Amino acid sequence: EPEVTQTPSHQVTQMGQEVILRCVPISNHLYFYWYRQILGQKVEFLVSFYNNEISEKSEIFDDQFSVERPDGSNFTLKIRSTKLEDSAMYFCASSENARNQPQHFGDGTRLSIL
Amino acid sequence: GDSVTQMEGPVTLSEEAFLTINCTYTATGYPSLFWYVQYPGEGLQLLLKATKADDKGSNKGFEATYRKETTSFHLEKGSVQVSDSAVYFCALYIGGSYIPTFGRGTSLIVHP
Repeated sequence: EPEVTQTPSHQVTQMGQEVILRCVPISNHLYFYWYRQILGQKVEFLVSFYNNEISEKSEIFDDQFSVERPDGSNFTLKIRSTKLEDSAMYFCASSENARNQPQHFGDGTRLSIL
Repeated sequence: GDSVTQMEGPVTLSEEAFLTINCTYTATGYPSLFWYVQYPGEGLQLLLKATKADDKGSNKGFEATYRKETTSFHLEKGSVQVSDSAVYFCALYIGGSYIPTFGRGTSLIVHP
């Protein structure tokens, strides 16, 4: 069964550094998402992406964050200047279409900011 | 706003025990309801769903019924296994949205 893959599985970065989290969505999916899960807390929506542009973003997704689909397969989340509070699991997801359709999630990247 | 409330965990059970994880929601429209499961070290996987009132979603022995009158979508399983140990998330999609609202998750620990 096709799956969403994320790399790396664990990223350790110094505060203030830039980090790029990578995702390969399922190939025939058109909608892509990033979520964040701080340890012990709920899964929080960050951003959705369709047709090469952001379609919706949450208040968490401020100017420090950006997303990109640099080629036909990868979907990346960049954090420009990391803060301690950015430490979390970051999940990528994709869906074939929108509107009440369940999303397929990757296994996540654990980001640790020192 | 829309929200999902799940029972606090962890829920600790012996193998073959009956499981209930409560989920209630508030929503301005008519949501679709989902249960996701997160096994240790993995991402979220869709477990089951129900898209309208009185629908019952079922998968892998788990089931949940969409109860509009009580705004609930409780997850049940008649006989849990050690392999069911995971975190379970209730979620809703409202109207034409494609962004789910998740509950906080309920950790299930099943002992042999």
